[in-house]
Amino acid sequence: AQSVAQPEDQVKVAEGNPLTVKCTYSVSGNPYLFWYVQYPNRGLQFLLKYITGDNLVKGSYGFEAEFNKSQTSFHLKKPSALVSDSALYFCAVRDMSGGYNKLIFGAGTRLAVHP
Amino acid sequence: DARVTQTPRHKVTEMGQEVTMRCQPILGHNTVFWYRQTMMQGLELLAYFRNRAPLDDSGMPKDRFSAEMPDATLATLKIQPSEPRDSAVYFCASGLVTGPGTEAFFGQGTRLTVV
Repeated sequence: AQSVAQPEDQVKVAEGNPLTVKCTYSVSGNPYLFWYVQYPNRGLQFLLKYITGDNLVKGSYGFEAEFNKSQTSFHLKKPSALVSDSALYFCAVRDMSGGYNKLIFGAGTRLAVHP
Repeated sequence: DARVTQTPRHKVTEMGQEVTMRCQPILGHNTVFWYRQTMMQGLELLAYFRNRAPLDDSGMPKDRFSAEMPDATLATLKIQPSEPRDSAVYFCASGLVTGPGTEAFFGQGTRLTVV
């Protein structure tokens, strides 16, 4: 079965510093990977996705993610963090098993950006 | 601005009562997902519809939960009878899934409290 793991429950960074939120995946076949963000009392918002092609994917709000096949990772990055980036971040993988087309989410990483 | 609409946003009910949560997917989307979010379990997929047909509801407790799509503009999730352990945030998501690389769009969720 397809799965993703987010090894860190929480990440803390200072405003203006670069941030990285880690995600590793386990898939059979081609990986289709996604990042979502959840602000307090809100639903999940799509940030970016990797389907194929360039390993560096750019998304919303200045975020980008780097796909690394040899390390089976899809880490989310931003060059300069903002306090407003503080939220819960989810990595997800598409599961096509059984003919279905589902999104399987990681446990989430809480990002805290302090002034 | 197209969005997934969920009602109610908040629901407090007594144990044993029936609860119905509603979702209006984005017009034209062919896939609807129901997820449950709790602190302990994270995001769990409960049910999955494509073109209004239920494809996978293996994540749902069958004895008390049911999910339907009476028409293309409405998806419902019912719990009868409700129990305190059902307290969670329930998210509906929709997508125009034409392939594995298409993302899902989430509603703002229904926060259910069963007392």
